[in-house]
Amino acid sequence: DIVLTQSPGTLSVSPGERATLSCGATQSISSYSVAWYQQKPGQAPRLLIYGASRRATGIPDRFSGSGSGTDFTLTISRLEPEDSALYYCQQYDVSLTFGGGTKVEIK
Amino acid sequence: QIQLVQSGAEVKKPGASVKVSCKVSGYTLTELSMHWVRQAPGKGLEWMGNFDPDSGETVYPQKFQGRVTMTEDTSTDTAYLEVRSLRSDDTAMYYCAVGHSTSFLDFFDYWGQGTLVTVSS
Repeated sequence: DIVLTQSPGTLSVSPGERATLSCGATQSISSYSVAWYQQKPGQAPRLLIYGASRRATGIPDRFSGSGSGTDFTLTISRLEPEDSALYYCQQYDVSLTFGGGTKVEIK
Repeated sequence: QIQLVQSGAEVKKPGASVKVSCKVSGYTLTELSMHWVRQAPGKGLEWMGNFDPDSGETVYPQKFQGRVTMTEDTSTDTAYLEVRSLRSDDTAMYYCAVGHSTSFLDFFDYWGQGTLVTVSS
């Protein structure tokens, strides 16, 4: 299985600042096969990004995804208080696996 | 708009089985590719498998083969997940989720609200 490692484990960012979340894979993944989800306490995950860089319907443009090969990034360009959540990457190139998550906290 | 409504929380003893349901509205189940994902308390997400509506077959990671069954009742647009021989480490929130396409290699546009399954003696 492809193992996805997310870093950092926790990210503390001030409102209006940029948050950069990383997702590293143990082998190269097709750039078309990476997704990102946001999960708030007591809620199901919500799709943010698919195909590494395509925003899902209704997702604000402050969320963007990039990357290729084994390294992928989710960037929240101007952090809002409601962005406090857990964020997971997922690959769907070889079977399906998720990363362990990054917690984003508001300073 | 697709909505997925799951059955309520369950408490089971080790060795028992549990069957979780996921009712679809807004679309018919035959148009969708249903997956199941679980999340142990305080842990990350784990894909459990997918029911392929075209072939009628299921795809599972090896760790779940033989212990998990996914079925669908198209007359009621309800998907089911059964897990047998429950162990304490099966304690988790179980989610149904709709794949974007009919391939099992997919991301998930829509999620159910989750069903908490607790395994405890």
